[in-house]
Amino acid sequence: EADIYQTPRYLVIGTGKKITLECSQTMGHDKMYWYQQDPGMELHLIHYSYGVNSTEKGDLSSESTVSRIRTEHFPLTLESARPSHTSQYLCASSDWGGPSTYEQYFGPGTRLTVT
Amino acid sequence: EDQVTQSPEALRLQEGESSSLNCSYTVSGLRGLFWYRQDPGKGPEFLFTLYSAGEEKEKERLKATLTKKESFLHITAPKPEDSATYLCAVQGSGGSYIPTFGRGTSLIVHP
Repeated sequence: EADIYQTPRYLVIGTGKKITLECSQTMGHDKMYWYQQDPGMELHLIHYSYGVNSTEKGDLSSESTVSRIRTEHFPLTLESARPSHTSQYLCASSDWGGPSTYEQYFGPGTRLTVT
Repeated sequence: EDQVTQSPEALRLQEGESSSLNCSYTVSGLRGLFWYRQDPGKGPEFLFTLYSAGEEKEKERLKATLTKKESFLHITAPKPEDSATYLCAVQGSGGSYIPTFGRGTSLIVHP
């Protein structure tokens, strides 16, 4: 069973605030990902990391930043929240090597509402 | 560019009424095709990985099959608890570890 955690689960915040969404996994996976998903829509990749001190932007520019100082931790920061950032944010991780290299395991998500 | 198209977008079944969900894909060198289940307000839950045409995998009432162009998720005698969105994703051999996801099929099983 995958052990990947996200906090908070729900967040309502005002425009212009700085927020950090937390993601941690206890599986020792090197690869971690952040996705944005609106109801009924596909997953959009925001950022990803293949290991400590490695971060890359995905297809969706969401004015956010990430850091990967520890293997297990991959926080996402919005410097100035806007109503367009209202969405579900999903964190995922995957392992290296063998058949499971490409299998992603997801956290429960953070539902963000910016007023 | 890898592409994934899932159909139908939504499917309503009566309990016990078997059916199939479709995932059509184009990919340069398939490394894997993945099926996930997603309940409302939650993250996707990994179900299966298929690697080559002809491969099949089963889990309870679900059976996934793969051809060179598409995958099917067969649901046999579904129950209301099978209601969820089912996502398909593919990983090509393009050098990244970023799978391409489809939009999903929303399945509702009525008692």
